[in-house]
Amino acid sequence: EPEVTQTPSHQVTQMGQEVILRCVPISNHLYFYWYRQILGQKVEFLVSFYNNEISEKSEIFDDQFSVERPDGSNFTLKIRSTKLEDSAMYFCASIYYDSTDTQYFGPGTRLTVL
Amino acid sequence: SQKIEQNSEALNIQEGKTATLTCNYTNYSPAYLQWYRQDPGRGPVFLLLIRENEKEKRKERLKVTFDTTLKQSLFHITASQPADSATYLCALGNTDKLIFGTGTRLQVFP
Repeated sequence: EPEVTQTPSHQVTQMGQEVILRCVPISNHLYFYWYRQILGQKVEFLVSFYNNEISEKSEIFDDQFSVERPDGSNFTLKIRSTKLEDSAMYFCASIYYDSTDTQYFGPGTRLTVL
Repeated sequence: SQKIEQNSEALNIQEGKTATLTCNYTNYSPAYLQWYRQDPGRGPVFLLLIRENEKEKRKERLKVTFDTTLKQSLFHITASQPADSATYLCALGNTDKLIFGTGTRLQVFP
């Protein structure tokens, strides 16, 4: 069965450094998402992406964050200058066609900011 | 602001019984509601979707109800098994953005 993949599984970085989290959505999917989950807390929406542009973003997704689909298969989340509070699991998700379809989540990247 | 509450942080039941999990929401009118399973350190896995004009959905041992008047969804697992032990998340949506609840940790013991 097709699945969403994410790399790396764990990223450790120093505060103030830039990180790029990578996702490969399911190949024929059209909508892409990033969510985060701080340890012990709920899953929070960050951003949705459709037709090569952001369709919606949350208040968490400030100027430090950006997303890109550079080559038609990868979908990346960049954090420009990481803060301690960015430490969380980051999940990528994708949907085939309709915004109410099943969201398929990747296994996540655990980001630790020291 | 929108608020989603799941009935309890943890629910312990005996194998073979029916587990019932509750999701209540306020200040929101979702077009659909989804239930996910999450195991420790893993991403959410989709289980069921129910739309605002549907009252009930079933899939194998799973059943979801959706009452837009009460602003509540119930999620049932019948004939529960130890393998059903996990955290179950409800998520509401109107557009493509999902708003998640905090989850209920279900433990099924033999």
